[in-house]
Amino acid sequence: NAGVMQNPRHLVRRRGQEARLRCSPMKGHSHVYWYRQLPEEGLKFMVYLQKENIIDESGMPKERFSAEFPKEGPSILRIQQVVRGDSAAYFCASSLRDTSYEQYFGPGTRLTVT
Amino acid sequence: KNEVEQSPQNLTAQEGEFITINCSYSVGISALHWLQQHPGGGIVSLFMLSSGKKKHGRLIATINIQEKHSSLHITASHPRDSAVYICAVNVMDSNYQLIWGAGTKLIIKP
Repeated sequence: NAGVMQNPRHLVRRRGQEARLRCSPMKGHSHVYWYRQLPEEGLKFMVYLQKENIIDESGMPKERFSAEFPKEGPSILRIQQVVRGDSAAYFCASSLRDTSYEQYFGPGTRLTVT
Repeated sequence: KNEVEQSPQNLTAQEGEFITINCSYSVGISALHWLQQHPGGGIVSLFMLSSGKKKHGRLIATINIQEKHSSLHITASHPRDSAVYICAVNVMDSNYQLIWGAGTKLIIKP
């Protein structure tokens, strides 16, 4: 039973490019959460999605960031026109139900913007 | 001031020592989590607490709801315990939102 998968594990982008981060939840999980960890800081909630729905995006920056979780395929976190301040580790977690008691984390994607 | 504060930020100890990491929070919570993040970055959940004390192997977690404080203890520490230990809390009015501490970086020297 594979765990939460994230790819790529490391991503380097130049300023102004787009970054696409993918998260495949655990089998049978339909709830996905994205977190961002800035260097030397704790994780911060970004967005909570269920299949085809954004439930809570209160932690997402208003511009340049978007997330989706289609009926088929992984959840995607998309960052347009990346800036140096977007450099961070992005973690995805999944759960069977809408409770953090059962969140399982992926290995993260480390985004570096040059 | 952060809603979840951990201390110390960094801790270096010798193999075999008893380790204590502290977590204080200022919001109403329904549960508190301790997680471990290894240098590779992966995050593993260690404990989820809403009261009292839990033990798993050499790890012990306690929580005092009245004092809004939790501790994570490691007995007979080992170099493989070296990692970042993170405290996170479920806020009272949300099933899923976690507020995270900044983490405690633990290094155990052989």
